[in-house]
Amino acid sequence: AQSVSQHNHHVILSEAASLELGCNYSYGGTVNLFWYVQYPGQHLQLLLKYFSGDPLVKGIKGFEAEFIKSKFSFNLRKPSVQWSDTAEYFCAVNARNAGNMLTFGGGTRLMVKP
Amino acid sequence: ETGVTQSPTHLIKTRGQQVTLRCSSQSGHNTVSWYQQALGQGPQFIFQYYREEENGRGNFPPRFSGLQFPNYSSELNVNALELDDSALYLCASSLGLAGETQYFGPGTRLTVL
Repeated sequence: AQSVSQHNHHVILSEAASLELGCNYSYGGTVNLFWYVQYPGQHLQLLLKYFSGDPLVKGIKGFEAEFIKSKFSFNLRKPSVQWSDTAEYFCAVNARNAGNMLTFGGGTRLMVKP
Repeated sequence: ETGVTQSPTHLIKTRGQQVTLRCSSQSGHNTVSWYQQALGQGPQFIFQYYREEENGRGNFPPRFSGLQFPNYSSELNVNALELDDSALYLCASSLGLAGETQYFGPGTRLTVL
């Protein structure tokens, strides 16, 4: 069975600071990878996803993530955060032979100070 | 395009009772997945329905059951509620089973007293 670890549970940054949120997964097979965001009072929304091809994927709102297969990692980055990026961020993995089941990490709560 | 909707928004039940939560999938989607999100944790997969049949189940007891209807809407039923069932229940819809993106609804907040 697959598992996902997000090592940073809480992150506090000032506006314009750079962001990197870690995500590691454990699964020996081929995976699809996702980052979802949950803004205060809103539902989970897809930020970006990786299925195949270029391991550097770009998502909405200036976010990007890099899939490093050898490290089983899919870290999320943004060069300059804004106050509106305050939210909870979830990394999720889907094993290609496991239907459409998503395994989520525990989430990282990001607070951006204006 | 209509997104995923869930009802009710909030629900309070007592231990031992039964509850039914409802989900309408996004237009054109034939797969519905249910997740439980306890406070401070990531969502956990309960089960998935594809074309009215269960197609995968997470580590949840049989008192968690579901249905999918011909219009691809879905229900999650939980019998003999326990205090630990208090959580946000999320429904997600997608098209097919090959790892397609899942689109989430706003959730139903269940409190068991």
